[in-house]
Amino acid sequence: EPEVTQTPSHQVTQMGQEVILRCVPISNHLYFYWYRQILGQKVEFLVSFYNNEISEKSEIFDDQFSVERPDGSNFTLKIRSTKLEDSAMYFCASSEDAATRQYFGPGTRLTVT
Amino acid sequence: AQSVAQPEDQVNVAEGNPLTVKCTYSVSGNPYLFWYVQYPNRGLQFLLKYITGDNLVKGSYGFEAEFNKSQTSFHLKKPSALVSDSALYFCAVRDVRSNYQLIWGAGTKLIIKP
Repeated sequence: EPEVTQTPSHQVTQMGQEVILRCVPISNHLYFYWYRQILGQKVEFLVSFYNNEISEKSEIFDDQFSVERPDGSNFTLKIRSTKLEDSAMYFCASSEDAATRQYFGPGTRLTVT
Repeated sequence: AQSVAQPEDQVNVAEGNPLTVKCTYSVSGNPYLFWYVQYPNRGLQFLLKYITGDNLVKGSYGFEAEFNKSQTSFHLKKPSALVSDSALYFCAVRDVRSNYQLIWGAGTKLIIKP
């Protein structure tokens, strides 16, 4: 089965620092997503991306967050100035179109100290 | 507003018995419904989906789910539970008329005892 990959698997950073979480979606997919899961809590939608622009974002996705598809394969989530409450597991997902299942990566555990 | 409810935080089932993990949803239009499973320290794995058609959907690892429009439910079922089914199960929904995001339930921890 095709896979979404994410790097790093675990990122530790100090409060106020910038982090970039990287994802390689499945190659023929056109829709890309970021979700996060704070430990012990539900999965929360952050943003969706299609045709090189954000198609939808949640209230969580404020000005501290940005996404980019810098080349034909990578999809990145940047947090400009991390806060303690940004500590969570961040999942990238991709899908062929808006109606089909989303394939999730293994996640990046972000720890902000 | 779109929402998903998983009323049980935890479900305990003896190995070999049937299991049900409940999910109800609320969307303004027709729903796309999904079940995902999360094993400890692992990502989200797709189990099955309902888009249209037969209300009984079969998925991975012997799981199935029944879409019930009148009760706005999409319960996950398996006829005979395995210890290896122990994991965290998430129901998710998307309104087919709008939005790309999945709205997630809080998750149900399934514990299968030998």
